[in-house]
Amino acid sequence: GAVVSQHPSRVICKSGTSVKIECRSLDFQATTMFWYRQFPKQSLMLMATSNEGSKATYEQGVEKDKFLINHASLTLSTLTVTSAHPEDSSFYICSARALQGAGGYTFGSGTRLTVV
Amino acid sequence: GENVEQHPSTLSVQEGDSAVIKCTYSDSASNYFPWYKQELGKGPQLIIDIRSNVGEKKDQRIAVTLNKTAKHFSLHITETQPEDSAVYFCAASRAGANNLFFGTGTRLTVIP
Repeated sequence: GAVVSQHPSRVICKSGTSVKIECRSLDFQATTMFWYRQFPKQSLMLMATSNEGSKATYEQGVEKDKFLINHASLTLSTLTVTSAHPEDSSFYICSARALQGAGGYTFGSGTRLTVV
Repeated sequence: GENVEQHPSTLSVQEGDSAVIKCTYSDSASNYFPWYKQELGKGPQLIIDIRSNVGEKKDQRIAVTLNKTAKHFSLHITETQPEDSAVYFCAASRAGANNLFFGTGTRLTVIP
């Protein structure tokens, strides 16, 4: 079945630095990838939707200059948390969809970001 | 937009008993309803899904039912095992849309 690989699984960074998280679809081409944020014991909150070769669409309240998304190819999307602060500490999860309107959604294994 | 509600938020069952988790949705145009299992520190994994053209789908110990008229769908796990313990999320999506709307999650604990 469809597999989405997300790296790193855990990252600790200092306040003020930037962190990049990668999301790769391993055995299918993902025209659309999604980035979620999940707080402890809560549901997934969609941050942005990225389409290959175009700008990401951000959800209301999500700072696009802070959470930079790049979807340069059909198998790779990256989320960069810029100038990270402790309040950015969270579990970030990506998801990919193979076919517009038809394919199911496959999730990565998540990235635990801790900003110290 | 779509609003998905999920109940209960926590559920404890004895090993071998059945577990039922219920979700309601608001958008009558939604036609795809997946269920995900999320273990601690991991991403959600699809366990079963159903589309609006069927009322029930079963895969071994897991089944999902859909009532389009009432706009609710349920996850049924029979003969529960300790490894079924996890957080379960329902979700809904509409045809042509490119997003999933998640329920708030149910923490299932199966007591050995």
